[in-house]
Amino acid sequence: DGGITQSPKYLFRKEGQNVTLSCEQNLNHDAMYWYRQDPGQGLRLIYYSQIVNDFQKGDIAEGYSVSREKKESFPLTVTSAQKNPTAFYLCASSATQGAPLQETQYFGPGTRLLVL
Amino acid sequence: AQKVTQAQTEISVVEKEDVTLDCVYETRDTTYYLFWYKQPPSGELVFLIRRNSFDEQNEISGRYSWNFQKSTSSFNFTITASQVVDSAVYFCALSNPWANSKLTFGKGITLSVRP
Repeated sequence: DGGITQSPKYLFRKEGQNVTLSCEQNLNHDAMYWYRQDPGQGLRLIYYSQIVNDFQKGDIAEGYSVSREKKESFPLTVTSAQKNPTAFYLCASSATQGAPLQETQYFGPGTRLLVL
Repeated sequence: AQKVTQAQTEISVVEKEDVTLDCVYETRDTTYYLFWYKQPPSGELVFLIRRNSFDEQNEISGRYSWNFQKSTSSFNFTITASQVVDSAVYFCALSNPWANSKLTFGKGITLSVRP
């Protein structure tokens, strides 16, 4: 089945520790995105990537880093510089065909990050 | 700047009632897309509908219908004969296709459907 997978489902971080969230898609989508969701809030964009080896900061990139070495994968690292990392993290992907870009973003199941 | 407002935060209805979820948006772009997503308790966002700014035709899909009105910058979502499985958080979102399809989300509406 085609889709987006995220792992782990739950992740615990100790103070001062970097942690990496995995996102993989087999939809052959060019673009991938990371969002953060806090309780009672909408989703906020952390980083996005439209092609391999290229990515851009979103609205709340501070304390996060990403890489895009393969089309299928877009891991997110939450660094120790992120002082309030407890949140639900959602990865999404979309095709990027034509202009204006009009492809729908599809989401993975999410990873819940908790600080110990 | 783009903005999406979902003024209703929580709605509770009894099964089989009709319910409308409101969405008001702000944008200076003439070309844009509007979306509705459903987030069940499992957490994954499920895509429901996409509408472009040049298509104001209302759409119906089973028990779901959407009313897009550019004059009032609204894109409202109605569930007819609600069911317990409709209980979820519903997000309205706006994208600017000329800006890397970045999605701007509203804060979501928590819908509870009681048996």
